[in-house]
Amino acid sequence: DTAVSQTPKYLVTQMGNDKSIKCEQNLGHDTMYWYKQDSKKFLKIMFSYNNKELIINETVPNRFSPKSPDKAHLNLHINSLELGDSAVYFCASSHPGGQGARYGNEQFFGPGTRLTVL
Amino acid sequence: QKEVEQDPGPLSVPEGAIVSLNCTYSNSAFQYFMWYRQYSRKGPELLMYTYSSGNKEDGRFTAQVDKSSKYISLFIRDSQPSDSATYLCAVGYSGGGADGLTFGKGTHLIIQP
Repeated sequence: DTAVSQTPKYLVTQMGNDKSIKCEQNLGHDTMYWYKQDSKKFLKIMFSYNNKELIINETVPNRFSPKSPDKAHLNLHINSLELGDSAVYFCASSHPGGQGARYGNEQFFGPGTRLTVL
Repeated sequence: QKEVEQDPGPLSVPEGAIVSLNCTYSNSAFQYFMWYRQYSRKGPELLMYTYSSGNKEDGRFTAQVDKSSKYISLFIRDSQPSDSATYLCAVGYSGGGADGLTFGKGTHLIIQP
């Protein structure tokens, strides 16, 4: 009964490779997000999708491409991986008054994907 | 100036003490304020959510917002070793829509048994 799940949990890869991270939520939310948490634990928004439409696209290299096949899924594809891409990537979802939400726009986070680029 | 400032700690206190965690923010357009708790190698978990100045209490946790001075606080009463974690403050522009949250860097809290 996991609310927000991500795969894989760990990802170790070589510089220059292309990789994808998948996120799924079963809360019935219609907004999903990708955040990046660097080695200093700083958590920063990358993208948000609402009803499969891109809403926020922060200053992120265009090597990062999110894709939302439906409201319950948001994937992140990264091309030509660089050393600086090493971080923990968190998916989150929200919906005003949605399932499990005590407050409007409460964001639920997944467990994270720890990406290491060698 | 960073949008949200938070002392990274670590902050170490004995079990049973009252803990005070604080953040300041720079943009008065922020309208709602959250505190997340993050255990090591886990995702952030929402603890408290407020959208106006004043206090909000939930069990041992009290969130306080002072919009005039752009200052937010989280108080933990009767602290327990299980409260040891990183506490992240977060701010947002509106209570709806698809706004991303702006986070502080987090304060690492250690409760000594």
